[in-house]
Amino acid sequence: GDSVTQMEGPVTLSEEAFLTINCTYTATGYPSLFWYVQYPGEGLQLLLKATKADDKGSNKGFEATYRKETTSFHLEKGSVQVSDSAVYFCALHRGWDTGRRALTFGSGTRLQVQP
Amino acid sequence: AAGVIQSPRHLIKEKRETATLKCYPIPRHDTVYWYQQGPGQDPQFLISFYEKMQSDKGSIPDRFSAQQFSDYHSELNMSSLELGDSALYFCASSSYRDKDYEQYFGPGTRLTVT
Repeated sequence: GDSVTQMEGPVTLSEEAFLTINCTYTATGYPSLFWYVQYPGEGLQLLLKATKADDKGSNKGFEATYRKETTSFHLEKGSVQVSDSAVYFCALHRGWDTGRRALTFGSGTRLQVQP
Repeated sequence: AAGVIQSPRHLIKEKRETATLKCYPIPRHDTVYWYQQGPGQDPQFLISFYEKMQSDKGSIPDRFSAQQFSDYHSELNMSSLELGDSALYFCASSSYRDKDYEQYFGPGTRLTVT
């Protein structure tokens, strides 16, 4: 079945440090890939997405590239801020034509940014 | 822009009681999903509906049922509540007719079973 594996947290960084959160997936076909962010006490917000191989999703300084050859979708940001502290979830969607219509989430990675 | 609305935001129930959670999708969205997120865990898919028909089923207990109504809102009914049902329940919506796979999440309902 489908699965998403994320690096374990928490990840603790100083402000302005470089961030990488690793995400790899297992799925048949050509899934769409997503990063969601969850701030304390809030719901899930879509951060960025990529729908085909070599696509790069970007938003708010975050980037991730869909790498089919390594089945990866690593999240990066060049300079993190305290306000980026949250839990980040990698997720995949296998598409309507396969009959599987739910998102499969990774276990989440908690990011803590210290001033 | 309109977002997904969930009610209530917080709910406290005792063991063996029943609970009903409601979800109002974004206007024009035809698909609704329910997820359960336990403390410190990732969201687990429960069930989804497209055009009022169940479209996919995940790890939903037999004690739970759900439906989507003609106005596209959805309700998750939970009976014989157990302590382990305490979790954050998210509803998400998307538009199949617009071929938009992005799921928009509501703020969640926090259910506490005592």
